[in-house]
Amino acid sequence: AQSVTQLGSHVSVSEGALVLLRCNYSSSVPPYLFWYVQYPNQGLQLLLKYTTGATLVKGINGFEAEFKKSETSFHLTKPSAHMSDAAEYFCALKRGSTLGRLYFGRGTQLTVWP
Amino acid sequence: EAQVTQNPRYLITVTGKKLTVTCSQNMNHEYMSWYRQDPGLGLRQIYYSMNVEVTDKGDVPEGYKVSRKEKRNFPLILESPSPNQTSLYFCASSFQGDYGYTFGSGTRLTVV
Repeated sequence: AQSVTQLGSHVSVSEGALVLLRCNYSSSVPPYLFWYVQYPNQGLQLLLKYTTGATLVKGINGFEAEFKKSETSFHLTKPSAHMSDAAEYFCALKRGSTLGRLYFGRGTQLTVWP
Repeated sequence: EAQVTQNPRYLITVTGKKLTVTCSQNMNHEYMSWYRQDPGLGLRQIYYSMNVEVTDKGDVPEGYKVSRKEKRNFPLILESPSPNQTSLYFCASSFQGDYGYTFGSGTRLTVV
């Protein structure tokens, strides 16, 4: 069963517009959730993570995400898109605090138009 | 600099010729893992290791082998590569607990 679902494989926004990348998860135990960004021909870079505590998480480059247990969601937002935000974004889940499996969504390609 | 180093970055090989992709981390992380990335499928876990001499299968282990003889190294071995193993491969590592994972720069493998 899919653990992480990213809605929309491609998202396009204009520079300066709101960025919203959607991620829903399924987990029978409290999840740890991550957003990663991948620029062309590069590895994955951690944007932000939710483990416990505050449900609104701030990351690098002005991104933030909110953990909503009732909606099983962890959507990524940025108030104002920049051309340099164009990349592929991956949502990932780890079940609880134990080591082991990290489950990735299929990714969302973000295009930013001038 | 804290990092995960994979080698080689690019590799073209022929069907059936054994190959090894190396992965090394300098952060004393207990956990290491291999993923493959294919268009439209995201990242899928191949194998992971909790610590030295402790490994387990991920979602797509068929056709791959791993070993963890030292804490810093986690090589990925393809005993008899096939064209369906053409992919982009990533190694990652982490401390125990809730830390984020550090990824290598990737190895693009083509099997012809």
